Amino acid sequence: ETGVTQSPTHLIKTRGQQVTLRCSSQSGHNTVSWYQQALGQGPQFIFQYYREEENGRGNFPPRFSGLQFPNYSSELNVNALELDDSALYLCASSEGTNAYNEQFFGPGTRLTVL
Amino acid sequence: DAKTTQPPSMDCAEGRAANLPCNHSTISGNEYVYWYRQIHSQGPQYIIHGLKNNETNEMASLIITEDRKSSTLILPHATLRDTAVYYCIVREISGGSNYKLTFGKGTLLTVNP
Repeated sequence: ETGVTQSPTHLIKTRGQQVTLRCSSQSGHNTVSWYQQALGQGPQFIFQYYREEENGRGNFPPRFSGLQFPNYSSELNVNALELDDSALYLCASSEGTNAYNEQFFGPGTRLTVL
Repeated sequence: DAKTTQPPSMDCAEGRAANLPCNHSTISGNEYVYWYRQIHSQGPQYIIHGLKNNETNEMASLIITEDRKSSTLILPHATLRDTAVYYCIVREISGGSNYKLTFGKGTLLTVNP
C-alpha cells in the first residue's frame, strides 16, 4: 500500500508568480485535504476535496484553489504569490469525509516565495 | 472546535515515560480528544484518540480526566525517535465541520539520551 506522496519537495518562486503543488492520495482514499504550515505554527486547513468537489474551505483567499482528479489525486494552485505564502504545504488523504476517517499526511512541499 | 492549551516544550530522558498534558476546558459532549505528532520535516502522524475512557494502543496511552477538561498523552518508554511536536486536538465526530483538523502550536517534546 503506497502512502501519501507530494511533489515537488521544495520549490522557490518569486512574488506575483503562480504555483501548482501535487498530491497523490493513499490507495483506496477518495478524500484529500490541504493544509498550510508556517514556520513555528501548526498546520492550518485550506480546503478539502471529496470525489472531485470542494467539500469545505478554511479562511484562505480565492487565489488558493484546488482540483481533484478521477484517480483522487489533487492539486493546490496558488496565484499571485505573496511573501507570506512561504510555508510547508501538507496534503492528507482519507477514506471519506467523516471525522471517523483518519487523515494520513504526506511529507509536504516546502514553498519559498522571494 | 474547542481550543486546547499545551505547554510549548518539554524534556524527557530516554527510556522514561513522557507525559504530555493538554487542557481543553471548553470541550463539549460530542467532541473527541485527538493526538497527532509531527517529527521534523515530516507530515503529522495520528497517535490516538478518545472520548471519555482511557485508551491505549501500540504507540501511546491517553488518559482523560473524569470531567473531560484535560487529558494526558503517555509515551511509556520514550526513545530519541519520539522527539517531535505533539498536537492535542478536540474534534467533533458528527456534524458539518468535522472534516478538518484544527491544530494549535503543540508541545515540542525533546527526548534526551
